[in-house]
Amino acid sequence: EAGVAQSPRYKIIEKRQSVAFWCNPISGHATLYWYQQILGQGPKLLIQFQNNGVVDDSQLPKDRFSAERLKGVDSTLKIQPAKLEDSAVYLCASSEGPSADTQYFGPGTRLTVL
Amino acid sequence: GQSLEQPSEVTAVEGAIVQINCTYQTSGFYGLSWYQQHDGGAPTFLSYNALDGLEETGRFSSFLSRSDSYGYLLLQELQMKDSASYFCAVRIGSTLGRLYFGRGTQLTVWP
Repeated sequence: EAGVAQSPRYKIIEKRQSVAFWCNPISGHATLYWYQQILGQGPKLLIQFQNNGVVDDSQLPKDRFSAERLKGVDSTLKIQPAKLEDSAVYLCASSEGPSADTQYFGPGTRLTVL
Repeated sequence: GQSLEQPSEVTAVEGAIVQINCTYQTSGFYGLSWYQQHDGGAPTFLSYNALDGLEETGRFSSFLSRSDSYGYLLLQELQMKDSASYFCAVRIGSTLGRLYFGRGTQLTVWP
């Protein structure tokens, strides 16, 4: 069974530029999560989708971050414009159901904002 | 809001036993999860406790006391490959759960 796929793996941009990350969850997993992990900290939930609907986006900085999950499968997370403090690893995870008990994480995208 | 406390670092030698504690303050608590993350890698699921008591999975065990808002991860027969960060995470919500992670404990296993 293929795991959670993410691309790109690394991205370097300058502040005020835009960037997008892509995630393909495990086949059949209805729930998809985006996390931000700053160096030395635990993952912080940004947004959670159940199929193609948003369950929780309370910690998403909506003035600059947006995410969508069209057709309930792939998802993209966008930052526009980026700030220095957005430098982090962006992790995508998926789970079979909505309970969040067991989540499967992708390898992440390491973003550096200069 | 949610608050989780776990030690920042733990060291041990191969073959030893180590316990990583996690205390939490949260509303809507439903369960406690543990994840392992090697440097540069993705977090991987280790265990989940919804009820009080000890859950054993091979060399790893996890414990939860809901009345004390406390849990721990117990790693036995430590191996070098166990060197990693270990995160506790509280699950909030029943039907539509969400995870809130602690800052992690860096475990170093020495030969």
